[in-house]
Amino acid sequence: AQTVTQSQPEMSVQEAETVTLSCTYDTSENNYYLFWYKQPPSRQMILVIRQEAYKQQNATENRFSVNFQKAAKSFSLKISDSQLGDTAMYFCAFMRGQTGANNLFFGTGTRLTVIP
Amino acid sequence: EPEVTQTPSHQVTQMGQEVILRCVPISNHLYFYWYRQILGQKVEFLVSFYNNEISEKSEIFDDQFSVERPDGSNFTLKIRSTKLEDSAMYFCASTRDIVNTEAFFGQGTRLTVV
Repeated sequence: AQTVTQSQPEMSVQEAETVTLSCTYDTSENNYYLFWYKQPPSRQMILVIRQEAYKQQNATENRFSVNFQKAAKSFSLKISDSQLGDTAMYFCAFMRGQTGANNLFFGTGTRLTVIP
Repeated sequence: EPEVTQTPSHQVTQMGQEVILRCVPISNHLYFYWYRQILGQKVEFLVSFYNNEISEKSEIFDDQFSVERPDGSNFTLKIRSTKLEDSAMYFCASTRDIVNTEAFFGQGTRLTVV
């Protein structure tokens, strides 16, 4: 079974500062994918960033980057230069790498508030 | 930009009644999903659907649940006899491919069973 744990229910950050959201996971799979999804108050979840487990290089998307530590099963999200629009719930998610097993396993989420 | 749409946004129903939640996935997507989020808890997978049949389902998806793609655009989740514990936000999602692909989510339907 796959589990995803987000140990920070809530976090806040000052505008323009950097914040890191934590995520750990447990799996016996060797091939898998990891995602961070953002759910703004309007409720629609959108993909922020993804990481393939076979890639050693950490994924980066503009102000968003991850620190993927495969041995430690850790997948943290760093948001640089935080903006007010970053205020949202952030969900870490896991997907198995095998064909036909493409559902997502989510963590409980971290509510991030960016303070002006 | 294409998006997944869900209707209604909020549904209130009496315990024991049947409800149908509707979703229109992105038109060129082939894989469809339902997830639910009970208030304060994590988003949980219910079922995935491909080529007009269920490809995977969780233990939550018991006999009271069913899914259907009645036409070329809609994807529905039916709950046959609702229980209080079915109260949750239900999210529809679709993906173009089978793996390592971005899942596009709808805004959700908040189901309240009274």
